[in-house]
Amino acid sequence: DTGVSQNPRHKITKRGQNVTFRCDPISEHNRLYWYRQTLGQGPEFLTYFQNEAQLEKSRLLSDRFSAERPKGSFSTLEIQRTEQGDSAMYLCASSRDWTVNTGELFFGEGSRLTVL
Amino acid sequence: TQLLEQSPQFLSIQEGENLTVYCNSSSVFSSLQWYRQEPGEGPVLLVTVVTGGEVKKLKRLTFQFGDARKDSSLHITAAQPGDTGLYLCAGAKGKDSGNTPLVFGKGTRLSVIA
Repeated sequence: DTGVSQNPRHKITKRGQNVTFRCDPISEHNRLYWYRQTLGQGPEFLTYFQNEAQLEKSRLLSDRFSAERPKGSFSTLEIQRTEQGDSAMYLCASSRDWTVNTGELFFGEGSRLTVL
Repeated sequence: TQLLEQSPQFLSIQEGENLTVYCNSSSVFSSLQWYRQEPGEGPVLLVTVVTGGEVKKLKRLTFQFGDARKDSSLHITAAQPGDTGLYLCAGAKGKDSGNTPLVFGKGTRLSVIA
């Protein structure tokens, strides 16, 4: 297994367009997280799944954002009607239950979104 | 309000120097992790500390968790250019830290000049 995979790595879009990012976690990990990172900031939590259930959503996740993990494997994060303020690196991370008590996350390389 | 405050925000040093970066909070954490992130990449876990007062060493890196589990430090001995990167601390809260997503600090951006 090569780790957490995200695509696309880069996306440039015009304001008002919809974008979707995909994350493939490490295969034996049942927890999947989405974070957003802007320049000069640490990652900010957006949402996470345990298997297919979405357990928590941040207040940062406006109604234009939706995340799914339909079969408990890969996940998608869709942003509708993008705004320039959505420009950021979107990071996906996964973890395994046995490590969950110490919260260790394994991150993908991220999907960088630029909204023009 | 930032839950985890990291200092300094930026640090530029010469190769061979020692340095310490700090991660502070008014909150108690069940565990705390340190990650290192390079430009255009995701963060990579360096270490997890769980017990108050715990000290862990990873080659030239020494990590310490405060006795009250509210703060942590990372000390690098004889820094090398390969240590350059963004160092992030992240805390897990709650009795069962697995139920609470990690909260990250803003990071310390380290540059080691040859």
